[in-house]
Amino acid sequence: QVQLQESGPGLVKPSQTLSLTCTVSGGSISSGSYYWSWIRQPAGKGLEWIGRIYTSGSTNYNPSLKSRVTISVDTSKNQFSLKLSSVTAADTAVYYCARDLLNCSGGSCYPAGAFDIWGQGTMVTVSS
Amino acid sequence: DIVMTQTPLSSPVTLGQPASISCRSSQSLVHSDGNTYLSWLQQRPGQPPRLLIYKISNRFSGVPDRFSGSGAGTDFTLKISRVEAEDVGVYYCTQATQPYTFGQGTKLEIK
Repeated sequence: QVQLQESGPGLVKPSQTLSLTCTVSGGSISSGSYYWSWIRQPAGKGLEWIGRIYTSGSTNYNPSLKSRVTISVDTSKNQFSLKLSSVTAADTAVYYCARDLLNCSGGSCYPAGAFDIWGQGTMVTVSS
Repeated sequence: DIVMTQTPLSSPVTLGQPASISCRSSQSLVHSDGNTYLSWLQQRPGQPPRLLIYKISNRFSGVPDRFSGSGAGTDFTLKISRVEAEDVGVYYCTQATQPYTFGQGTKLEIK
């Protein structure tokens, strides 16, 4: 079955760029049936959606982070990636990648916000 | 952004008894395609979230039938008919109008 695995540095210095990759196994990221999202969770707190990408490369970002976020896809490696620039301690969190179901009806498809598969998450600490 | 408000934030429940979590959105979640994209997630301690319910009431594959979702417009409910020990965790509602937002989470614990 499809699995997601996050990878990247666990420690990032303030003002630098956080870079994470999500590797998709057991299925193709190029399947047109899903969007691929990044979501984060500070310790002991709730979930925050960062952004998403479609296999075409089309992206959507949370406006609260948009100026600092870039999400990209590499279909040849079956991966998608997150870059978050100018990080501060407030960006310390567990970062998850997740698959979002597309709902299709009447010839149109929309992301359903139904995150059916998640990676295990990777803890990223921003500290000097 | 659409604000998702869950109540209660903590729910102590006796094993075998029902539990109910409410989620209210700050605006209607009815999409232009006629669907309502409201989902429920369960996060057990130390685990990533897991999808339970999507489009208000559709139980995801492998989810026990003691979980059910209902609601419309701005008011939604997740019900557990008989709580089991493995249901302990935090439950989140989420909506799919950009930007996606989540409720604050409801911690389900056993009395």
